[in-house]
Formats: sequence, structure tokens, C-alpha cells
Amino acid sequence: EAQVTQNPRYLITVTGKKLTVTCSQNMNHEYMSWYRQDPGLGLRQIYYSMNVEVTDKGDVPEGYKVSRKEKRNFPLILESPSPNQTSLYFCASSNLPGAPGGYTFGSGTRLTVV
Amino acid sequence: GENVEQHPSTLSVQEGDSAVIKCTYSDSASNYFPWYKQELGKRPQLIIDIRSNVGEKKDQRIAVTLNKTAKHFSLHITETQPEDSAVYFCAAINTGTASKLTFGTGTRLQVTL
Repeated sequence: EAQVTQNPRYLITVTGKKLTVTCSQNMNHEYMSWYRQDPGLGLRQIYYSMNVEVTDKGDVPEGYKVSRKEKRNFPLILESPSPNQTSLYFCASSNLPGAPGGYTFGSGTRLTVV
Repeated sequence: GENVEQHPSTLSVQEGDSAVIKCTYSDSASNYFPWYKQELGKRPQLIIDIRSNVGEKKDQRIAVTLNKTAKHFSLHITETQPEDSAVYFCAAINTGTASKLTFGTGTRLQVTL
């Protein structure tokens, strides 16, 4: 089954404790992206990657890192999480950002930073 | 960059009525406009999309219209059912140059019995 797999689904952590949210896709998509979803703000892009070893900032990259060492994986790293990073995070992939069929989203990771 | 505005933020309709959600975009070069539905606790999923060379597209009870001159596009849901209750997001992109879909802020649709 074609899918984007995110882990974990839920995470509660403390301020400053480094964490990684994993994202993996099995559709051989070149494009992958991370979004955060906050009430009233919609989906805002954090980082994206056009291909292996090619990553770039989105609209809200502060406090986040990513890597794309393999085509299928695109982890999101929070080196020192803060409470304002409490949010719902989605990984997405597609052949191209505007490819027919749009994005395929992962199931989401609800992160709480206390 | 692109900016997408979406209205209304919440919409309540009775079962069987129609629902309309409207979006405007700022970049006249945008040429692809998908709509996503997000049920409670679930991921956004594509329900319909339209390209700028088409003015309207239908898929059963849902339709999308695009007015390139006015830079707005709308989602129409007819004969609404309780399972249509969800958050709907519009998005826009210039597929030639842009690096991401720009999303609207979402519309929470509630279909009441």
C-alpha cells in the first residue's frame, strides 16, 4: 500500500530535550515536506526537500532541522524543543509539489512540549 | 510568494443543503488548485483539484470552480451528509516555479441532522 509513515503519533516532551520525528514514504517520491498545523493558521511549511541531499527552508523553519540522506526518509529534528513548538505535524510527499494527485500526507504527529 | 485566503472559517449547514467554501489567491501565475478534506484526528486527503486551463470540475456531489480573472476558486458540496463534516483546506501553487503548496487557513464544516 502506497503510504507515508510518521512516527510517533503522539509525543510529550520537556523543553530542551532533543527529539526526532521520522517520516518514510514507499512511493519513490522525489519531493517531501514537513508542515505544522495550528488552529486558525492552517498548514504552514517548515522544510522541504526536492531530492536526496537537497533541502530548503519553508515559511517557519526556526527551531527545526531536517535531513534527506535517502530518498524514502525525511526526519524532522527539534534540537531544543520549546513550548511554542507544540503543534500537529504532518509529513507529505509527492512526485513534484504540484503533481497531479497532490500531496500524500502522513498520519500526523501531535507534539506537546512542556 | 503566494497568499491564499479562505472563507468562511466555520460553516454549519443542515443535511441535504449545499455548502460553498471560497478561496482567493494572490499570485496570478498559480495554476494548480487542490482541495483537501481533514476528518477529525485524521490526515488531510485530496478530494478534488483543478488546473488553470479548466473553469469547473465535478466529482459526484463535489465541484470546484475557478475564476482566473478574479483569482478565486470555490468548493461546492451538494446534498450534504453528516460524513461531509470535516475541515476543508484549499491550496494553490505555480507548478513551474514554486516549491510548495500554499494552503488556506481551513473551513470547519458541520452538517447537522
